[in-house]
Amino acid sequence: DAMVIQNPRYQVTQFGKPVTLSCSQTLNHNVMYWYQQKSSQAPKLLFHYYDKDFNNEADTPDNFQSRRPNTSFCFLDIRSPGLGDAAMYLCATSRDIGQPQHFGDGTRLSIL
Amino acid sequence: QKEVEQDPGPLSVPEGAIVSLNCTYSNSAFQYFMWYRQYSRKGPELLMYTYSSGNKEDGRFTAQVDKSSKYISLFIRDSQPSDSATYLCAMKKGNTGNQFYFGTGTSLTVIP
Repeated sequence: DAMVIQNPRYQVTQFGKPVTLSCSQTLNHNVMYWYQQKSSQAPKLLFHYYDKDFNNEADTPDNFQSRRPNTSFCFLDIRSPGLGDAAMYLCATSRDIGQPQHFGDGTRLSIL
Repeated sequence: QKEVEQDPGPLSVPEGAIVSLNCTYSNSAFQYFMWYRQYSRKGPELLMYTYSSGNKEDGRFTAQVDKSSKYISLFIRDSQPSDSATYLCAMKKGNTGNQFYFGTGTSLTVIP
């Protein structure tokens, strides 16, 4: 059974048109993460939530925002996607800070 | 210099071969080491999680850490076509903090 679920699996949007990616978890983990992964590159951490506390990585563009309305759900909002934002976006969870992460299958975002 | 270096491959081996996947790192503060397997169009799946130096075995998989050489390895015995995937190493400095450092992954194909 899938424990970290990302929707949609594939998303196409237009240049500059806001888009929201969704992640849900059944693990009841405290920490949820968003990563960006481009082809043949390591996943790059964008931000994470520890419970309701939001932690932004220093080099995450302002264009990227996140919401976590409850323990189970977390959203990634890209306000004005540029061509360089085309990538796989991975959601991950961990039981607590510093614990190994469990990943979803990702959303592949294409920008037209 | 990147914090974590990993040969991207691709690596092709015949079924039944022993596979050795490796990562080197530059920061001696890394203490926790992980290996993830990522199938095409899927998220990374945690395979092994080890602390400090030594070996850890799980079925056909053995993770090895040599902190003195700043070198970690994943060995796969009796490799199967289902092992064909990209393998990512990851590491972190301490038990607290959420900064995981990923390698770029090694693409492995096991040929029947």
